[in-house]
Amino acid sequence: EVGLVESGGGLEQPGRSLRLSCEASGFTFGDYTVSWFRQAPGKGLEWVSSIRSKAYGGTKEYAASVKDRFIISRDDSKNFAYLHMNSLKTEDTAKYFCSRGYFDYIGGSYRTLFDYWGQGTLVTVSS
Amino acid sequence: DIQMTQSPSTLSASVGDRVSITCRASQDIGTWVAWYQQKSGKAPKLLIYKASSLQSGVPSRFSGTGSGTDFTLTISSLQPVDSATYYCQQYNFYWAFGQGTKVEVK
Repeated sequence: EVGLVESGGGLEQPGRSLRLSCEASGFTFGDYTVSWFRQAPGKGLEWVSSIRSKAYGGTKEYAASVKDRFIISRDDSKNFAYLHMNSLKTEDTAKYFCSRGYFDYIGGSYRTLFDYWGQGTLVTVSS
Repeated sequence: DIQMTQSPSTLSASVGDRVSITCRASQDIGTWVAWYQQKSGKAPKLLIYKASSLQSGVPSRFSGTGSGTDFTLTISSLQPVDSATYYCQQYNFYWAFGQGTKVEVK
C-alpha cells in the first residue's frame, strides 16, 4: 500500500528556517516525481515545488512565491523527500502536503499527474 | 500562468441527486485535467484524470467530461460520503487548482 507521511512542521518566526520531511513507503520511491503542495488555512491548494526522479535528471522546479527561498531534495536510499524552507514569511503559513507524481501519456505527449498524497504537516509562521 | 475558474463555490443537494461542478481554464489545456476530493483538510484523493478517466477504486457515480477550456465533474447519485470539497487541477503546464467546491449532502 502506498504511503506518504510528512513531518517537521511547527511554529517558526519570520525570517527563520524549517525543514519538512516526506517518508514514502509501498512503492519504488526513486522511480517517481515528488512534489510539495500547500494549503493556507481555509484556502485552496497551491503547488510549491517538484523534483523529478534521477532517471529524468532530478530536475527541480519551484513556484514563483517560494523560488530562491525553498529548496527541494530527495534521498532515494532512504525513501525520503525534503523541503528546506528559508527566509520564512507569514504568508508561508499552511498545511504542506507531499505527493507522488508519475507520467500520464496521451499519444506521444506526457504530463506529470499526482495520484497519492500524504496527510500533511502544519507550518505556522508568526512572531 | 494558467488559471482555473471553478463553480459553484458551494453546493447543497439531497441524497440521490445528480450534481455537476464546472471548471474553466484560462487557455486551451487539451484534456490535462484532474479532479480531487478533499475531506476536512485531509489528503486530497484523485478521482478523475485526463478529464474523463476514472481512477482505480473510485465509484462509478463519479464522471468527468470536457476538453480545451471547459470541464465538468458529475456525481450521478449523490451519497452522504460524498460530502467534501472538490478541486479541479490543470497539469498541462505546471499545476494549478480551481478555488474548490464545497459539497453538502442534505
